Amino acid sequence: NAGVTQTPKFQVLKTGQSMTLQCAQDMNHEYMSWYRQDPGMGLRLIHYSVGAGITDQGEVPNGYNVSRSTTEDFPLRLLSAAPSQTSVYFCASSYSKGPGLRAWNTEAFFGQGTRLTVV
Amino acid sequence: QQQVKQSPQSLIVQKGGISIINCAYENTAFDYFPWYQQFPGKGPALLIAIRPDVSEKKEGRFTISFNKSAKQFSLHIMDSQPGDSATYFCAASYRISSGSARQLTFGSGTQLTVLP
Repeated sequence: NAGVTQTPKFQVLKTGQSMTLQCAQDMNHEYMSWYRQDPGMGLRLIHYSVGAGITDQGEVPNGYNVSRSTTEDFPLRLLSAAPSQTSVYFCASSYSKGPGLRAWNTEAFFGQGTRLTVV
Repeated sequence: QQQVKQSPQSLIVQKGGISIINCAYENTAFDYFPWYQQFPGKGPALLIAIRPDVSEKKEGRFTISFNKSAKQFSLHIMDSQPGDSATYFCAASYRISSGSARQLTFGSGTQLTVLP
């Protein structure tokens, strides 16, 4: 009954360091995504995946990489951390109700977030 | 670029009052409109959602009003309670390319404070 699990919850990096934010879900959802949340800007999509082996860029992908080797895991990599990447990061998984192109509902389940500070 | 505009940025309401948050969109490809509620230190959680073929959806004290021609939708919280104090995000969903996967675009959020 874990849902979406993100680790770590908090992280401080120095400029130029790299790190990986982990995300795992146990609901067998095909769709996973990463968002960053900044004050006054809502949640902005970084990268998403529609299934194992398939990833694509969202609104703000620069400086981040993702991979999806399994249905459960969707790690986010910061290649060379910059102060502009200070943010709260959320991983989400979702599924569509209904068949194929008539699918309506997108129930997105979010993790508890990772607060990242780059100094 | 997909975009959803949300207002107000912050809202203070007395206990028992009505809280109203508004959102507007441009892209007619959006076809599902959820609202998310976020408490401090937590991830957003789905609150209520509406499809564009209905003009209103009510769940308890929460109501979404949807105006397809104006491309606007709003969340009404009746009899607001201090426990409703949270950040609320509207969102809009659209289908990615020709597959069944869907993507969410979020508004900028409204911080609601309900005074006791």
